[in-house]
Amino acid sequence: GQQLNQSPQSMFIQEGEDVSMNCTSSSIFNTWLWYKQEPGEGPVLLIALYKAGELTSNGRLTAQFGITRKDSFLNISASIPSDVGIYFCAGPQETSGSRLTFGEGTQLTVNP
Amino acid sequence: ETGVTQTPRHLVMGMTNKKSLKCEQHLGHNAMYWYKQSAKKPLELMFVYNFKEQTENNSVPSRFSPECPNSSHLFLHLHTLQPEDSALYLCASSQEGLAGDNEQFFGPGTRLTVL
Repeated sequence: GQQLNQSPQSMFIQEGEDVSMNCTSSSIFNTWLWYKQEPGEGPVLLIALYKAGELTSNGRLTAQFGITRKDSFLNISASIPSDVGIYFCAGPQETSGSRLTFGEGTQLTVNP
Repeated sequence: ETGVTQTPRHLVMGMTNKKSLKCEQHLGHNAMYWYKQSAKKPLELMFVYNFKEQTENNSVPSRFSPECPNSSHLFLHLHTLQPEDSALYLCASSQEGLAGDNEQFFGPGTRLTVL
């Protein structure tokens, strides 16, 4: 089945630093979604990407839909302590468009 | 607030107990989902309901029994669970059939511990 590989698995950064994480697949995706999950909560949708090459921002977050359709990137600029959480990428499964495949997540820790 | 609520937020149960998890969405969506989230593993899709009809059962053991009485409510009935069923159970909803229908909105989850 389709798999999404996220890297890095975890990141430890200082407040104010920029962060970059990515998600890759051996299959083509037509949509990329980025979620953030904080401890004790469910994932919250941050950014949705629908077109190859698309670059979309949400505040300090910027995500890009890779040209090959097999990858996506999420960047966080000027990180702050509340950016702590697990960031997941997700994309629709080939066989059933609304069923999502999720990556394993990137755990982000921001030191004040 | 994502518009999806779940109760209870925490549940501890014995292996012989019967309990139910509840999910309610206030977004007017027509599809609802149950996911299991275990430590260090990707989210696992369990069940999908579309317009109250179950459209997917992802090889889930029969000790998990979903119920969807209407498009806004989803239940997960639990009985004779095993300790390895301890996990965070997440409910999500989406609006299928429209642009952006891949976007699923999640509730806060129920943290389940089976003793």
